[in-house]
Amino acid sequence: SQQGEEDPQALSIQEGENATMNCSYKTSINNLQWYRQNSGRGLVHLILIRSNEREKHSGRLRVTLDTSKKSSSLLITASRAADTASYFCATEGAAGNKLTFGGGTRVLVKP
Amino acid sequence: DGGITQSPKYLFRKEGQNVTLSCEQNLNHDAMYWYRQDPGQGLRLIYYSQIVNDFQKGDIAEGYSVSREKKESFPLTVTSAQKNPTAFYLCASSTSTGSDSPLHFGNGTRLTVT
Repeated sequence: SQQGEEDPQALSIQEGENATMNCSYKTSINNLQWYRQNSGRGLVHLILIRSNEREKHSGRLRVTLDTSKKSSSLLITASRAADTASYFCATEGAAGNKLTFGGGTRVLVKP
Repeated sequence: DGGITQSPKYLFRKEGQNVTLSCEQNLNHDAMYWYRQDPGQGLRLIYYSQIVNDFQKGDIAEGYSVSREKKESFPLTVTSAQKNPTAFYLCASSTSTGSDSPLHFGNGTRLTVT
């Protein structure tokens, strides 16, 4: 079973709008990572947030982590057409240290 | 440029044939991984290796085999025992298998078995 699950599964917005997606997980974690995947390509690491952090920023990305709710959110501000991609959260697997990925959120940014 | 190279990008095979997917990295990373991705789904871990000459099964290792004879290379063989081999295969590497080590991915191999 997957440790992290993203919500929504798909999201369509206009260029310039913000996009928010959520990730819920089941067991305690040391950190959580977000990745982006363009169609037909490999994943690209976006940001890592540790369990003792509540919020982290990287450019137009803002990630929050609520360990009490076992959830994280990724916000993309002022979206661009180039942000069209699938976004995945990744956490440690139940066995320990290997990353497991959720099913992803497909984001479409319309120009 | 440092990175991970997967080849070929597209691969077609007949049912019953074994096929080997190539993965090479020049990032000097110790850990390497193979994931499988099916349409609309997340990634599932097939095998991983923390160091040369050592590898461990992931969540869906049945029907697959790997080797790690060199630090730079981690080939994946999809055997005829794999019931549903058609998928997108992604290779990744990291400095270690710790959960705080970001993964660097190749651009994948799309395998179609008919």
